[in-house]
Amino acid sequence: DTGVSQDPRHKITKRGQNVTFRCDPISEHNRLYWYRQTLGQGPEFLTYFQNEAQLEKSRLLSDRFSAERPKGSFSTLEIQRTEQGDSAMYLCASSLQTGYFEQYFGPGTRLTVT
Amino acid sequence: AQSVAQPEDQVNVAEGNPLTVKCTYSVSGNPYLFWYVQYPNRGLQFLLKYITGDNLVKGSYGFEAEFNKSQTSFHLKKPSALVSDSALYFCAVRVPSNYGGSQGNLIFGKGTKLSVKP
Repeated sequence: DTGVSQDPRHKITKRGQNVTFRCDPISEHNRLYWYRQTLGQGPEFLTYFQNEAQLEKSRLLSDRFSAERPKGSFSTLEIQRTEQGDSAMYLCASSLQTGYFEQYFGPGTRLTVT
Repeated sequence: AQSVAQPEDQVNVAEGNPLTVKCTYSVSGNPYLFWYVQYPNRGLQFLLKYITGDNLVKGSYGFEAEFNKSQTSFHLKKPSALVSDSALYFCAVRVPSNYGGSQGNLIFGKGTKLSVKP
């Protein structure tokens, strides 16, 4: 079990640029989640996939955000036209299918928008 | 609104003493409850969960938590704290879907910083 991995670990970008993050879940997990965490706060849910289907999106996920999981394995989260308010830690997690299984988190991607 | 509260921003404990990190929730129905720990520059690590059954659940690294339905609480405990337990602790809840909860997301508290001094 190699755990959940995320790439890159850190990203610094200028306002207005597009960024893309990747998440590789634990191999046997068919659910994948994205969260955002800002300083002093707990993670906030953004979206989740079951296999390749995106089943839920939070109101936090504005039109500038898009997530994909094309083959039901890794996922990407893209932010277009970044704003300073997008600066945060973006966490990915995965779990087995049913809701009472715990989610396992990756190390996160820290985004800084200058 | 469904929510989780961690009333203490920081808990200070001497090594060897028992520790408690508090969590209360305000959700409909019978929620699933979780505790996670976050070390600096690392992701969240799962500690334990309560789904149903015995109100006292045991988890990783000697931690346990007590579910109290009447007080809507799920406090994290450890009988003897270690310096290495110093970290940020998050309580989280998932509301079952038949009570309007999501099938996916966890609702997290703001976190409690635990500091264990030698």
